[in-house]
Amino acid sequence: GQQLNQSPQSMFIQEGEDVSMNCTSSSIFNTWLWYKQEPGEGPVLLIALYKAGELTSNGRLTAQFGITRKDSFLNISASIPSDVGIYFCAGQTDGGSQGNLIFGKGTKLSVKP
Amino acid sequence: DTGVSQDPRHKITKRGQNVTFRCDPISEHNRLYWYRQTLGQGPEFLTYFQNEAQLEKSRLLSDRFSAERPKGSFSTLEIQRTEQGDSAMYLCASNPGETQYFGPGTRLLVL
Repeated sequence: GQQLNQSPQSMFIQEGEDVSMNCTSSSIFNTWLWYKQEPGEGPVLLIALYKAGELTSNGRLTAQFGITRKDSFLNISASIPSDVGIYFCAGQTDGGSQGNLIFGKGTKLSVKP
Repeated sequence: DTGVSQDPRHKITKRGQNVTFRCDPISEHNRLYWYRQTLGQGPEFLTYFQNEAQLEKSRLLSDRFSAERPKGSFSTLEIQRTEQGDSAMYLCASNPGETQYFGPGTRLLVL
C-alpha cells in the first residue's frame, strides 16, 4: 500500500532556531497537508498544498509541494516553545480512494527555551 | 465552537464489551471520515461517508466494527466484543472538499 516516509523522526532544538522536516512517497499525491498534533488532541491543519511546485506560508510556517508530486517539506522559522508537538504530513490521491488521507509517522519537535 | 466534536473523549472498557463513539462534523460538511491512531503512528483510515452513504471501508475495519451516519449529519462508530488491540485514539474528520478537519478524538483503552 501507499506509504509516506517522514523525517526526521524527532528533533530537539533551541528556541529561535529554524526547523525543517520533509515527507517522501513512492506514489504521486494530488494534495499534501501538514498537521500538528498535541498530546491527547486531534491533528490541527497547518497548511494545505494543492498544486505541484506550490509554496505556501502561514505565519512562521512555510511548506512546499514537490514538483514530482512525491514529496513535500515544512519549515518553521524562529521556533518558540509553543511549537512543541508532533507534525504530520498527509497525502491525498484522487479517484477510487475517495480522498482518504495517507499519513506519515510524524516528526516530534521539542523546543528548549 | 463550530469545529468537529467527538464524544466521549475517553473510554475505558473491559475486553469483550461493546463501545460506541459519536462524531458531530462541521455543519454542512458532507464528507465524514473515521481514522484510528495508535501510539507513535499517524492516523490510519477506517471508513468514509458522503452524506449518509458509507462509500469506502479500510481493511482495518474488521467485522466487529460498524459505522453509521443515518441522517447525513452525525456519525457513530461501534466496536463489538472489544479486544486489547482495539486500544487507540479514534479520530473523526469532516470536509466539504479536499481539506479534512479533525475532531479531538476518543481515546479508547481496553483492559
